[in-house]
Formats: sequence, C-alpha cells, structure tokens
Amino acid sequence: EAGVTQFPSHSVIEKGQTVTLRCDPISGHDNLYWYRRVMGKEIKFLLHFVKESKQDESGMPNNRFLAERTGGTYSTLKVQPAELEDSGVYFCASSRRGTSGSHKTLTDTQYFGPGTRLTVL
Amino acid sequence: AQSVTQPDIHITVSEGASLELRCNYSYGATPYLFWYVQSPGQGLQLLLKYFSGDTLVQGIKGFEAEFKRSQSSFNLRKPSVHWSDAAEYFCAVAVNSGGYQKVTFGTGTKLQVIP
Repeated sequence: EAGVTQFPSHSVIEKGQTVTLRCDPISGHDNLYWYRRVMGKEIKFLLHFVKESKQDESGMPNNRFLAERTGGTYSTLKVQPAELEDSGVYFCASSRRGTSGSHKTLTDTQYFGPGTRLTVL
Repeated sequence: AQSVTQPDIHITVSEGASLELRCNYSYGATPYLFWYVQSPGQGLQLLLKYFSGDTLVQGIKGFEAEFKRSQSSFNLRKPSVHWSDAAEYFCAVAVNSGGYQKVTFGTGTKLQVIP
C-alpha cells in the first residue's frame, strides 16, 4: 500500500508569486489534514477535510491560503501571493474513514507524507 | 486549548546509551498521546500511541513511553540507542474536535547519536 505522497518536495519562489502544493492521501482514507512547520517552531494544524468537505479550517493563517479536495481524493494547497513568512515545511496526513465522534475516528492514526519544503525569497 | 512542551531542543547521546525524551502536555481531560519521528528526508512516522489502558506503551524500533497523569507527562524511552535513531522526535496530543481528531505537536527534540 502506497503511503501519503506530496509534490513537490521542494519549492523556491519569490515573494508575490503563487505556489500550489499537492497531497495524495492513502487510497481509501477519507480524512486529509494539512499542517505547517515554520523553522524552529512546532508543527501546526492548518485544516482538515472529510472527503471533499472542509471539516475544520481554523488553522489557516489568512485568505492567501486556499485548500481544495475535489472529488475527495487528492488535495491542493495554494498560496497566492506568497509572503516571506510562508516559508516552512508543509505536511499532509491522512487517516481512514470513521464516523464523527466514534472511538474509531478519535483514535485513528494519521499517516504523514514527507512534506514540501517551501522557501519564499 | 491543549498544548505540548518538549523542553529539550537538542540531545546528544552515545550509541548504546539509554535515552529519555521529555514531553509534557496541557489538557483538561485525558488526551490521546503520540510520539512521531522524522528522519532526514522522510515523513513523520508514528512510533507509538496511548489512548487508554496500560500506561506503559510499547512502540516500534524498541521505543516505549509512559503516561503519567499526575505529572502530565508522556516521556519516550529507549534502553540502548542505535546510530540509526538519530532523527527529530515529536510528541503530540490529539483531542476531540467536532467529533474528529485534532492534533497539537510539540516543537520537537533533535537527537544526535555519537559513536
């Protein structure tokens, strides 16, 4: 079974440009999460999809960030326009289906991808 | 809101020596606790998790962690470190958010292993 994959592995762009990050979750996983780690800081939650719906986007920094998951499969995270403080490593994670509030969902393991390192110059 | 503290940013140990990485959490109820490891160029890999039951949890690669409610701690241990254990380790807590899992991570501890 393939793990969570992310593309690209590295991206270097200039301030003001647009970048789109992609995440392919493990096949059959309904839950998809985006996280970000700014250098030296903790890994922070950005948002959570259940299939194609945004369940929780409370961690999104501002409206320059747009996440989509059309069809409930892969997801993209677009940053437009990018700013210097957006630099960091963006992680994607997925977990299998589960009913909201069920013990299975609350205790399910999130499987992480290798991350995309974004550098904004 | 929940939080996780990993007080050690860097730790250096000799190969074969024992290891303990500290983790303290803050949360009103019993949380779900995890330890992840990130090796260079790799994603985060789950080492072990605690949800309930036995407070001493065994994980992969010879790691274990002990949940101590009275100390709000979930320290990671390994009796004998191997050079391949050099990596960054993250403690995390998950709580119920709208019926789903929401994870908060600590800042990580970088482990260096010397011969």
